Amino acid sequence: KNEVEQSPQNLTAQEGEFITINCSYSVGISALHWLQQHPGGGIVSLFMLSSGKKKHGRLIATINIQEKHSSLHITASHPRDSAVYICAVRPNAGGSQGNLIFGKGTKLSVKP
Amino acid sequence: NAGVTQTPKFRVLKTGQSMTLLCAQDMNHEYMYWYRQDPGMGLRLIHYSVGEGTTAKGEVPDGYNVSRLKKQNFLLGLESAAPSQTSVYFCASSYPTGDGYTFGSGTRLTVV
Repeated sequence: KNEVEQSPQNLTAQEGEFITINCSYSVGISALHWLQQHPGGGIVSLFMLSSGKKKHGRLIATINIQEKHSSLHITASHPRDSAVYICAVRPNAGGSQGNLIFGKGTKLSVKP
Repeated sequence: NAGVTQTPKFRVLKTGQSMTLLCAQDMNHEYMYWYRQDPGMGLRLIHYSVGEGTTAKGEVPDGYNVSRLKKQNFLLGLESAAPSQTSVYFCASSYPTGDGYTFGSGTRLTVV
């Protein structure tokens, strides 16, 4: 079983829709990252969070540490949001040296 | 612009050849990482470094070596390339807290 599971694996939406991507993890963590990767492109960090909720523009990320679950929401989706969204966790210290454990990603396609 | 720079961006090697991937960061980050990304899998950690002159093995270190002679540079070497090392390689850097996690744009390596 993967330590970081994302759902759905693939998501197609119409422009303007509200989108939710989920991430569940099975290890104790000190932080969770949401990352964005465009086709053939590099990886950009969207959020790092360890509790509560963060918002940046149309993107909102939430985390529930007790339930070991995080969600990434996109409001008023746009075709330029089409990308792979990756959840990654930083395991608790006691061996961890900053490296992340990654989910397999959610491929989002937003149609005009 | 501040960030993580990887060279080269693309490379084709023949089985048995050697090469070095260079990663340079100008954010004064202590920690640096090499990951590989393969289809259907999350990114996996190859090696990492928590400071100049230090390196450590990650999840998939076999067939790779690294060096961190200067704080800003982290080199990944393949001594005898194998087809199984065909992948996209990402370098990343961060502060020890995990803040500022920044990825390079990736190196697409094909071993034939």
